[in-house]
Amino acid sequence: GENVEQHPSTLSVQEGDSAVIKCTYSDSASNYFPWYKQELGKRPQLIIDIRSNVGEKKDQRIAVTLNKTAKHFSLHITETQPEDSAVYFCAASIPGAGSYQLTFGKGTKLSVIP
Amino acid sequence: SQTIHQWPATLVQPVGSPLSLECTVEGTSNPNLYWYRQAAGRGLQLLFYSVGIGQISSEVPQNLSASRPQDRQFILSSKKLLLSDSGFYLCAWSVLRDSGEQYFGPGTRLTVT
Repeated sequence: GENVEQHPSTLSVQEGDSAVIKCTYSDSASNYFPWYKQELGKRPQLIIDIRSNVGEKKDQRIAVTLNKTAKHFSLHITETQPEDSAVYFCAASIPGAGSYQLTFGKGTKLSVIP
Repeated sequence: SQTIHQWPATLVQPVGSPLSLECTVEGTSNPNLYWYRQAAGRGLQLLFYSVGIGQISSEVPQNLSASRPQDRQFILSSKKLLLSDSGFYLCAWSVLRDSGEQYFGPGTRLTVT
């Protein structure tokens, strides 16, 4: 099955700096890569995703890049703000029979220091 | 718009007791439904998924089971809880079968004592 590795496990940045979280996946058949943000005690929320036919996608201060050859994808957050502090999860998905099954990384705890 | 509900929000149960968690989705039809478990400070583990009524696929062998008695209802059950069953249980749905996008419910925090 698919295996997703996520690094780093914790990340501290000064407010206004950029943050980068990296993930690698094992199965070349994976074609959908979402990122979720989970605040303490809350549900994970989808913040951005990318499909294998696209190399980069941007939404305001967040962007995701995908390198299919190397089988890795990254989340970039620019101009970080204290409200960006949360745990971020990457995932990879292989299309199945009518269903996508997401395999998640172990998460990165991002702390933005004011 | 679509809404997903889970109940109860929190639950404290003794070891060996039964469990029933419910998830319902509003505002859509024929969704894919998923059950995940998140242990404290850990990642998300897919437990079950369903592409239709009565259709359940299990990802991890364990003492849990799932059922989908109605199109927008997904139930997670156990006959006898173990201490290791403690965690944050999240139901998720996706409406487009070829999109991959999944959206999570508010979760049930289960503590087995």
